[in-house]
Amino acid sequence: DIQMTQSPSSLSASVGDRVTITCQASQDISNYLNWYQQKPGKAPKLLIYDASNLETGVPSRFSGSGSGTDFTFTISSLQPEDIATYYCQQYDNLPPRYTFGQGTKLEIK
Amino acid sequence: EVQLVESGGGLVQPGRSLRLSCAASGFTFDDYAMHWVRQAPGKGLEWVSGISWNSGSIGYADSVKGRFTISRDNAKNSLYLQMNSLRAEDTALYYCANPTSDYWGQGTLVTVSS
Repeated sequence: DIQMTQSPSSLSASVGDRVTITCQASQDISNYLNWYQQKPGKAPKLLIYDASNLETGVPSRFSGSGSGTDFTFTISSLQPEDIATYYCQQYDNLPPRYTFGQGTKLEIK
Repeated sequence: EVQLVESGGGLVQPGRSLRLSCAASGFTFDDYAMHWVRQAPGKGLEWVSGISWNSGSIGYADSVKGRFTISRDNAKNSLYLQMNSLRAEDTALYYCANPTSDYWGQGTLVTVSS
């Protein structure tokens, strides 16, 4: 089974900071990687799909990059409304299978 | 508007069974694979099980394999999760979802406790 290692597990940053989260797969997953944002009491929200594509309606300060085993998620200028937990997720289609990273809890300094 | 509405959660004793249901609307249900994703209180997201559009391909997390069974009824636009031999560690909010399409329900809470 593919394992996803996400880091850091928590992060404190100031408004306007550039924030970076990484995710490493235990084997090559090409670009089959998504990034989600989850706010307390809410379902997750898709931000980035296929490693680097911005979901419709998501602000352009969010971006993703990488392929193979190493992936990066970036917020270019942190805003107060970005406080949430962020997850990477690898996916397979046959059989349908997902693996989530452990999550990164982002807080304002 | 896409809607996924889960039901069937509740308090159940260890070793007992529970069946979750998910009613889908607002999209062509039988065009999509569907999944169950759970989140234990204060913990991260865990994928539980997924089923292809025609039920021809099914996957389970190792933690539930042999105890949980996923199924769907495309005629009823519904997804199901039969959960047997429940354990305390199965306590979680269970989401019906197609995460890659960003379709999520509000979740149904399953609590396994004596």
